Amino acid sequence: NAGVTQTPKFRILKIGQSMTLQCTQDMNHNYMYWYRQDPGMGLKLIYYSVGAGITDKGEVPNGYNVSRSTTEDFPLRLELAAPSQTSVYFCASSYGGYGNQPQHFGDGTRLSIL
Amino acid sequence: QQPVQSPQAVILREGEDAVINCSSSKALYSVHWYRQKHGEAPVFLMILLKGGEQKGHEKISASFNEKKQQSSLYLTASQLSYSGTYFCGTVRGGGSQGNLIFGKGTKLSVKP
Repeated sequence: NAGVTQTPKFRILKIGQSMTLQCTQDMNHNYMYWYRQDPGMGLKLIYYSVGAGITDKGEVPNGYNVSRSTTEDFPLRLELAAPSQTSVYFCASSYGGYGNQPQHFGDGTRLSIL
Repeated sequence: QQPVQSPQAVILREGEDAVINCSSSKALYSVHWYRQKHGEAPVFLMILLKGGEQKGHEKISASFNEKKQQSSLYLTASQLSYSGTYFCGTVRGGGSQGNLIFGKGTKLSVKP
């Protein structure tokens, strides 16, 4: 089973460039999440979605945008990349969203902004 | 508010035991535990819910003190494979969207 798949695995961007981080899941989960992980800081929620067509901001949404047109896909868009967005990005999904279901994570995208 | 994990790091010999703690200043609905090995994705270990229900691996032991907003993860007879960073994630409220707030992690190293 593929689970949660993220692409690309690594990327280097120049300041001001834009890119889309792809995330797809094959578990038919309604809930999907984007986190960023900085060294020693744990995971911070950027955006989440409770179903196709419904998204909401998390703790650190500035500089990012998301969309959810299908149950399977939840891409994260970076506009005008800045060095502060250098991080490891994880996409996750869960069957439910009320804090009583485990989240399944993708392998991450390691992004450097130079 | 980000939960506080302790200790920040611990080094064990194979076969030794360890306890990792997670503390929140807010009333909690649930506590999640995940393990992340270097360069890999976090992997689910356990959920502890308000009211006493637990979900997770049978070989993992944990507790949740609702009154103190604290949870502890117990690692007994540690193996080399236990090495990694352990994160707790806390969820406030219930019956509505409950997003996880993760702690900064506890790095566990198990030596032969």
